[in-house]
Amino acid sequence: ETGVTQSPTHLIKTRGQQVTLRCSSQSGHNTVSWYQQALGQGPQFIFQYYREEENGRGNFPPRFSGLQFPNYSSELNVNALELDDSALYLCASSLGTAGELFFGEGSRLTVL
Amino acid sequence: GQNIDQPTEMTATEGAIVQINCTYQTSGFNGLFWYQQHAGEAPTFLSYNVLDGLEEKGRFSSFLSRSKGYSYLLLKELQMKDSASYLCAVRDWDGGGSYIPTFGRGTSLIVHP
Repeated sequence: ETGVTQSPTHLIKTRGQQVTLRCSSQSGHNTVSWYQQALGQGPQFIFQYYREEENGRGNFPPRFSGLQFPNYSSELNVNALELDDSALYLCASSLGTAGELFFGEGSRLTVL
Repeated sequence: GQNIDQPTEMTATEGAIVQINCTYQTSGFNGLFWYQQHAGEAPTFLSYNVLDGLEEKGRFSSFLSRSKGYSYLLLKELQMKDSASYLCAVRDWDGGGSYIPTFGRGTSLIVHP
């Protein structure tokens, strides 16, 4: 059973650029959720995908968007990057929206 | 909406017992999770409570009272490796067909010899 994997692990961007983060869900899981975690804070829910459709969204602007593919892997896209977007971005997969969350190691984004 | 409150930091001695409290307010409660997160690592699942009462799993136990909006995580026989952040997370029904998980800020536990 493979776990949740995320790529890239670290990346540096400049303000105004766009970034795509990727997540492969754990085998058998059909739900992926994304979180932003600033230093010293808990993970903040961005959105969730269930069977390729957005199924819940947190308080993030539209420049945060995502996709889920038929194999249940997912992407998080952030446009027009701002300095405050610097954070650890965590992906978690689960079996259904009520299942236990299994997290990947995260992608650490630094915006300069 | 959700409002989750947990202490920012706690310290304890190796071998002792520590209780980390979490209070919450939700509109459609659908379960409470505890996660452990070591610095620079991903959160790992510790426990899940959806009904009132105590769930025990080895050195870790978690308690839930839905009427009080209250949970605690109990760690026994503390070890140095238990030094980590402990995240309380509540899953809430958003009324539109989705279960949305909300995390607290985390409690940083420092275990000293």
